[in-house]
Amino acid sequence: NAGVTQTPKFRILKIGQSMTLQCTQDMNHNYMYWYRQDPGMGLKLIYYSVGAGITDKGEVPNGYNVSRSTTEDFPLRLELAAPSQTSVYFCASSLGQGVEHEQFFGPGTRLTVL
Amino acid sequence: AQTVTQSQPEMSVQEAETVTLSCTYDTSENNYYLFWYKQPPSRQMILVIRQEAYKQQNATENRFSVNFQKAAKSFSLKISDSQLGDTAMYFCAFMKQWQGGSEKLVFGKGTKLTVNP
Repeated sequence: NAGVTQTPKFRILKIGQSMTLQCTQDMNHNYMYWYRQDPGMGLKLIYYSVGAGITDKGEVPNGYNVSRSTTEDFPLRLELAAPSQTSVYFCASSLGQGVEHEQFFGPGTRLTVL
Repeated sequence: AQTVTQSQPEMSVQEAETVTLSCTYDTSENNYYLFWYKQPPSRQMILVIRQEAYKQQNATENRFSVNFQKAAKSFSLKISDSQLGDTAMYFCAFMKQWQGGSEKLVFGKGTKLTVNP
């Protein structure tokens, strides 16, 4: 199993540009999550999904959109990039919720908006 | 809202020695879970250890153990026989017990641990 994969690894955007961060998991997990990690900070939840077709906002959803058309994929869309969105983005997945369902993280995407 | 505080931005330890990382949290919940995650320079987030609040016994995983003090809302991580590969950022995280809703992980700001040879 590849686990959770993310593309791209790095990206530089200009203000106002759009892009999609890709996330795929091959563990047949129901739950998927998007986090951002700002310098010197812990991770903050952007959006999450409890299954295909179901998504909901996390702590910091403004400026982002998500979709979940399949169990495997959970892309994160930035429509109008702003410097405040410069961060490292992590995708994660878990089989379910609760302590017994560990969240597995992808390697992250480092995004810079200039 | 729950908050997680890690008061030590950076720590260092000599190889083979023991180090303790501090974490405190604030919650009105009685049932919840606590975690320590490791983030090495590769950026990969790795679960180190977890603790259920209803369990009085402290969790252990090989060289890693926790000191869970529920009344004090404290959850420290002890690393014994430190190894160079333990060099990483360590994040403490909190999650409410699942109640059929949307329980989420809340992270602290992290402690950067350096193990010196």
